[in-house]
Amino acid sequence: NAGVTQTPKFQVLKTGQSMTLQCAQDMNHEYMSWYRQDPGMGLRLIHYSVGAGITDQGEVPNGYNVSRSTTEDFPLRLLSAAPSQTSVYFCASSPGTVNEQFFGPGTRLTVL
Amino acid sequence: GEDVEQSLFLSVREGDSSVINCTYTDSSSTYLYWYKQEPGAGLQLLTYIFSNMDMKQDQRLTVLLNKKDKHLSLRIADTQTGDSAIYFCAESITDMRFGAGTRLTVKP
Repeated sequence: NAGVTQTPKFQVLKTGQSMTLQCAQDMNHEYMSWYRQDPGMGLRLIHYSVGAGITDQGEVPNGYNVSRSTTEDFPLRLLSAAPSQTSVYFCASSPGTVNEQFFGPGTRLTVL
Repeated sequence: GEDVEQSLFLSVREGDSSVINCTYTDSSSTYLYWYKQEPGAGLQLLTYIFSNMDMKQDQRLTVLLNKKDKHLSLRIADTQTGDSAIYFCAESITDMRFGAGTRLTVKP
């Protein structure tokens, strides 16, 4: 099993550009989530999904869109990047909402 | 992350015990977790405790839970330089809420 994979590992964007952060898992987990990690603030939940076709907002959803067309994939879209979105983004999956979460290696995004 | 609070830094000498503390606010939390993050990596689950327990031991790790005070601690015995990392406390209710993380530095 590859576990949770994320691409790209690093990305630099200009303000206003759009991009999609990819996340995939091969553990057949129903629950997937996206977090952003900023210094001194820990991880904050952006969006999550409890299964294919179902998504919901977390603590900081503004500026981000998600979709879940398959169990395996949970992409995160930035429609118009802003410098405030400079962060490290982690994708995670788990068998259920309150179970151990398995984290991907992260994507470091810089918006200029 | 404001529902779960941790001190940001801890420094210990190799061989000493480390104690990382955490307070949480939601008494209906089902599980409480400790995750470890090494530089440039994602978070890895270290250990967890179910809310109806007050202690759990796993090799060098001891987790203590005081539900009355909503206080969780992680003790690492015989701390090694390889334990240097950021440690996150997390609570789960309907989703998972993380603290800001405690950066543990182990000096030789």
